[in-house]
Amino acid sequence: DGGITQSPKYLFRKEGQNVTLSCEQNLNHDAMYWYRQDPGQGLRLIYYSQIVNDFQKGDIAEGYSVSREKKESFPLTVTSAQKNPTAFYLCASTGTGDQPQHFGDGTRLSIL
Amino acid sequence: QKEVEQNSGPLSVPEGAIASLNCTYSDRGSQSFFWYRQYSGKSPELIMFIYSNGDKEDGRFTAQLNKASQYVSLLIRDSQPSDSATYLCAAREYGNKLVFGAGTILRVKS
Repeated sequence: DGGITQSPKYLFRKEGQNVTLSCEQNLNHDAMYWYRQDPGQGLRLIYYSQIVNDFQKGDIAEGYSVSREKKESFPLTVTSAQKNPTAFYLCASTGTGDQPQHFGDGTRLSIL
Repeated sequence: QKEVEQNSGPLSVPEGAIASLNCTYSDRGSQSFFWYRQYSGKSPELIMFIYSNGDKEDGRFTAQLNKASQYVSLLIRDSQPSDSATYLCAAREYGNKLVFGAGTILRVKS
């Protein structure tokens, strides 16, 4: 089935540790996005990529890094510089033109 | 800072009634608008999208767009308890990015 797969579903980070969240899609979509959602709030854009080997910062990129080496994959690293990483992280993708974004099931990150 | 505003609610409606969810946006350049439904602990799922002024209907859902007033709404007819969720409004901006509102909590009482 075509879709967006995020893993793991739950992730725990220790102080000073970098962690990487996986996002894979088999929809042949060009554009991929990472959002962060805090309780009771909407989604805020962290990074996005419209083409392989290219990505741009969103509104809250500090403390995060990404790569886009393959069209199917857009991993997000939460670095130790991100002091408040506890949140629900959502990956989305969309095709060309005016198509809507569709989301993966999300990764819930907590601090140990 | 481009913004999308929604009343956080909760909006409570009886089963079978019409639920009306509203959203305003600040960027006059936005051309496309999206409604997502999010159940507690789950990811958002697309309900409707609208690009042109007027109404767009899909089953029990109707999206309405008024670009002059910078206003988007979602009507849910014959509301069911399963419609109870948070509804997120989003506006597309330059670079195919979405700006999301904080969401409106809808509670349908049986």
